[in-house]
Amino acid sequence: QVQLQESGPGLVKPSETLSLTCTLSGGSVSSSSYYWSWIRQPPGKGLEYIGYIYYTGSTNYNPSLESRVTISIDTSKNQFSLKLSSVTAADTAVYYCARIPGANSVTDYWGQGTLVTVSS
Amino acid sequence: DIVMTQSPDSLAVSLGERASINCKSGQSVLYSSNNKSYLAWYQQKPRQPPKLLIYWTSTRESGVPDRFSGSGSGTEFTLTISSLQAEDVAVYFCQQYYRTPFTFGPGTKVDIK
Repeated sequence: QVQLQESGPGLVKPSETLSLTCTLSGGSVSSSSYYWSWIRQPPGKGLEYIGYIYYTGSTNYNPSLESRVTISIDTSKNQFSLKLSSVTAADTAVYYCARIPGANSVTDYWGQGTLVTVSS
Repeated sequence: DIVMTQSPDSLAVSLGERASINCKSGQSVLYSSNNKSYLAWYQQKPRQPPKLLIYWTSTRESGVPDRFSGSGSGTEFTLTISSLQAEDVAVYFCQQYYRTPFTFGPGTKVDIK
């Protein structure tokens, strides 16, 4: 059974870098069938696609965040990661890691999400 | 970006009655080569991640009850719950996956009247 689990600090100071890791169980991030994604949801608000990565390391980022985002993959640990630099309070959100079964496809499995608060 | 809108923002329906949610995309999400609209619906309950309900406009994900159905094409879509159950209380989001960045509608909250 596919499970995704986010981990990382729940509190980040303004101007610093948010770093999260997603660990996959019940599958392999090296699979050629899937893309691995990050999506966020500010408290009480809607969903925003951040980007995705393929096992080859190829990435796709939301242009609105592209200058600050890096998504990477570690096939040896079966993990992929998100870094978001120069954070502000507007980056406070629940961050989800998720699976996309194809380049233009839905998001079929989601992690439980982790709340990251940006505050001094 | 393809902007997604939903209506209504919220609705309250009696148990066993029909609930319908509309979604519009700012441009067509119909891919002519396969005649498929790249439109999905998700259900999100409090303190849970979204759950995929429907993809390709009308295909139910495995395990989703058949009271959930999707329809539409191009730029206008509808999610229908034919007979609302207590466990259907949630926020429902549409999403286009035709073009990155994939974008979601703002959500429609469904409650019991």
